[in-house]
Amino acid sequence: GIQVEQSPPDLILQEGANSTLRCNFSDSVNNLQWFHQNPWGQLINLFYIPSGTKQNGRLSATTVATERYSLLYISSSQTTDSGVYFCAVEYDMRFGAGTRLTVKP
Amino acid sequence: EAGVTQSPTHLIKTRGQQATLRCSPISGHTSVYWYQQALGLGLQFLLWYDEGEERNRGNFPPRFSGRQFPNYSSELNVNALELEDSALYLCASSPGTQKGNIQYFGAGTRLSVL
Repeated sequence: GIQVEQSPPDLILQEGANSTLRCNFSDSVNNLQWFHQNPWGQLINLFYIPSGTKQNGRLSATTVATERYSLLYISSSQTTDSGVYFCAVEYDMRFGAGTRLTVKP
Repeated sequence: EAGVTQSPTHLIKTRGQQATLRCSPISGHTSVYWYQQALGLGLQFLLWYDEGEERNRGNFPPRFSGRQFPNYSSELNVNALELEDSALYLCASSPGTQKGNIQYFGAGTRLSVL
C-alpha cells in the first residue's frame, strides 16, 4: 500500500513565526487532505488538495503530484495553531504519523 | 447543518465484552469511514461503507465489523474486546467518490477496555 511520511515529527515555534510541514507519499494518489487535530481529538479539515495550490487565510498548501509531495505553510503562527497536523491520501485515508506543532506565546 | 455525530462520547467496557459505536453522517453524504487512533499508533483505517456496501477494510481482525443502514448512518461493532482495543474511534463521512471525497470527521468515541 501507499506509504505516507510527514516531517518534521515535532516543531516548536514562537508566536508570529512561519513554518512549512511536508508530506511525502510513495505512489500517485487521487485524493489528499490536510487536517488539524485539536487537543480534544477533533480532526478539522484544512485542505483537499490532490494537486495545485490553495490558500485559506494564514494557511496555504501545495501538492506536486508528479513528485509525490505536499507542503502545508503556516504564516504568522498563533498559539491556537498548536496541535497535530496530518496529511492523508486516497479514498480510505492512509494517514501520515503527523507533525506535532507547538506555538509558544 | 449538523456535522458528523458520534455516540457515545465515552464507552467503558471490560475485556471480552462487545462494544457498539454509532455514527450519523452529514446529510446528503453516502460514504462513512471508521478509523482507530490508538496511543502511539496514529490513525489507522478500519472500514469504508458507501451506499450500504462495505467498500474496503483495513488490516484489522474480523471481530471488528460494522454496517451501514439505509439512512447512511453506520455502526461499528467490536467483539471479544481486548485491552489494546482502547482507543479513540473516529467516524468520517463524505459525499461519495463520484462527488468528491472530502472527508469530514466526528468528535470520536473514546473506548476504554479494562
